[in-house]
Amino acid sequence: LAKTTQPISMDSYEGQEVNITCSHNNIATNDYITWYQQFPSQGPRFIIQGYKTKVTNEVASLFIPADRKSSTLSLPRVSLSDTAVYYCLVGAYGGATNKLIFGTGTLLAVQP
Amino acid sequence: EAGVAQSPRYKIIEKRQSVAFWCNPISGHATLYWYQQILGQGPKLLIQFQNNGVVDDSQLPKDRFSAERLKGVDSTLKIQPAKLEDSAVYLCASSFRMGDEQFFGPGTRLTVL
Repeated sequence: LAKTTQPISMDSYEGQEVNITCSHNNIATNDYITWYQQFPSQGPRFIIQGYKTKVTNEVASLFIPADRKSSTLSLPRVSLSDTAVYYCLVGAYGGATNKLIFGTGTLLAVQP
Repeated sequence: EAGVAQSPRYKIIEKRQSVAFWCNPISGHATLYWYQQILGQGPKLLIQFQNNGVVDDSQLPKDRFSAERLKGVDSTLKIQPAKLEDSAVYLCASSFRMGDEQFFGPGTRLTVL
């Protein structure tokens, strides 16, 4: 099973770019990497998903090196409302190898 | 579009009692997940359904937890009997198909005294 490791917390200021890295040394060939955001008393919310190289959407970018043993979530120009816990999720989908494992989460605190 | 609905939002019970949680996924979503989230930890997958079949229940404590999705839509998670360590938020999520973005409900916060 792919185990993930993330920094427990990070601090940033409004307008800065934030990069949160997730380590997943035992990632399997058919595992995808997904990032979720969670605010207090709410369920997680999908941010971005990727398999390799770089993926970008309207809110974030996801960088995955060739060996896929880590991934980096990049949040451009954060605001106070981005203060939340960010989870890295590694898992294969379907079949006998289906395992979904959330990381420990990174608490991002954005200050004015 | 309506999101994932869960009830109740909060539940307080004493140990050894039983409790049930209900989840109504987004219409048309074939995959449904139940997670347990203990305070300060990431969600842990308990069980995953594809329509009304179980895909993964390897982390479900089957001696006390059970779940069903009889018609491939709504789902119920039951704990019987509850232990103190079951105190957590129980999250339900759904996705259109396996591998797609998961949409989470607000969760049910369970306190076992």
